[in-house]
Amino acid sequence: QVQLKESGPGLVQPSQTLSLTCTVSGFSLTSNSVHWVRQPPGKGLEWVGAIWSGGSTDYNSALKSRLSISRDTSKSQVFLKMNSLQTEDTAIYFCTRGLDYGCFDYWGQGVMVTVSS
Amino acid sequence: DIQMTQTPSSMPASLGERVTISCRASQGISNYLNWYQQKPDGTIKPLIYYTSNLQSGVPSRFSGSGSGTDYSLTISSLEPEDFAMYYCQQYDSSPTFGGGTKLELK
Repeated sequence: QVQLKESGPGLVQPSQTLSLTCTVSGFSLTSNSVHWVRQPPGKGLEWVGAIWSGGSTDYNSALKSRLSISRDTSKSQVFLKMNSLQTEDTAIYFCTRGLDYGCFDYWGQGVMVTVSS
Repeated sequence: DIQMTQTPSSMPASLGERVTISCRASQGISNYLNWYQQKPDGTIKPLIYYTSNLQSGVPSRFSGSGSGTDYSLTISSLEPEDFAMYYCQQYDSSPTFGGGTKLELK
């Protein structure tokens, strides 16, 4: 059974670094890509970035300078690090499994991150 | 980046009604267009991939079509569980989502 679960701090201070973990089960990180998608309160979905089955990464061009995605295949975990956080980064952060055609088939429940002092 | 314009942003509709949601890309996306449903509790479910292919377990009342820059999602006869948010998403280049359509009970 495929599952993804996000974890991380609910509150981050402005200018600090966000660290999130996505723990997956039911599939291998070396077989599928994992993507991060975020959703500001009351707004739509925004693709953040991805780590591919081979370990390479792609990032949203607007976030690229602040973003890093990595993984630990032995623990089935994917990590997101975003620095220089601003209030505009307040959002629910989802991790999701990527398939062919760029479709995301399984999604985590999401983790709410608030950027505030 | 490719921009996705989704219309309408909200749609009141009745049970049993046929509805269509549209999505227009800022450039051609070669049918790399997917659709998702998001429920009020935040749960996101994939519906359609590569323009017109139904995800496993999705009812046949959902269908997708389109080509080039214009795509659509049709629900043939609305059921109570269909009232939710819907998003299109392109993957011809870095993924981008449409702004969403809120399907509401009239």
